[in-house]
Amino acid sequence: DGGITQSPKYLFRKEGQNVTLSCEQNLNHDAMYWYRQDPGQGLRLIYYSQIVNDFQKGDIAEGYSVSREKKESFPLTVTSAQKNPTAFYLCASSTTGSSYNSPLHFGNGTRLTVT
Amino acid sequence: QKEVEQNSGPLSVPEGAIASLNCTYSDRGSQSFFWYRQYSGKSPELIMSIYSNGDKEDGRFTAQLNKASQYVSLLIRDSQPSDSATYLCAVNYDYKLSFGAGTTVTVRA
Repeated sequence: DGGITQSPKYLFRKEGQNVTLSCEQNLNHDAMYWYRQDPGQGLRLIYYSQIVNDFQKGDIAEGYSVSREKKESFPLTVTSAQKNPTAFYLCASSTTGSSYNSPLHFGNGTRLTVT
Repeated sequence: QKEVEQNSGPLSVPEGAIASLNCTYSDRGSQSFFWYRQYSGKSPELIMSIYSNGDKEDGRFTAQLNKASQYVSLLIRDSQPSDSATYLCAVNYDYKLSFGAGTTVTVRA
């Protein structure tokens, strides 16, 4: 079955450590996205990529980095520069750049806790 | 970041009643509008998309769009306990989606 796989489901890290969240899709989608969700809040866009080897900052990119070396993969690194990294991270993909007729498909998310 | 505002809730409705969810957005250029359902601890799942002014019905769900008023709504008819979730409104701009904070719906038996 096609879908988006995020791993791990839960991740615990000490403050000051970088951590990388994995996102793989087999839907043959061109565009991929990373969102962050905090309790009681909507989703906020961190980074997005519409094609391989190209990506753009979203609304809250500070303290995060990404790469898009393969169409199927869009890993997110949470660096030690991110002041409040504890959150629920969601990876998504779409057939085009989320324009007309292109809803997002989400992975199951990674819950990151930094202490 | 483009603004997407939803009625804050929580919204409690009796089983069998209609739940009405509202969403307003700031970008007049937006062309695509989506409603997602998110169960506690899970990822959002798409339940409705709407692109033209008017109503769109899918089973017990009806989405309504008024671009002049920059308003989109979702009606859930014959509400069931399984509809208890947070509903997120999403609006496209510049090939991205901006999300509202969500409205939590509780259907009481």
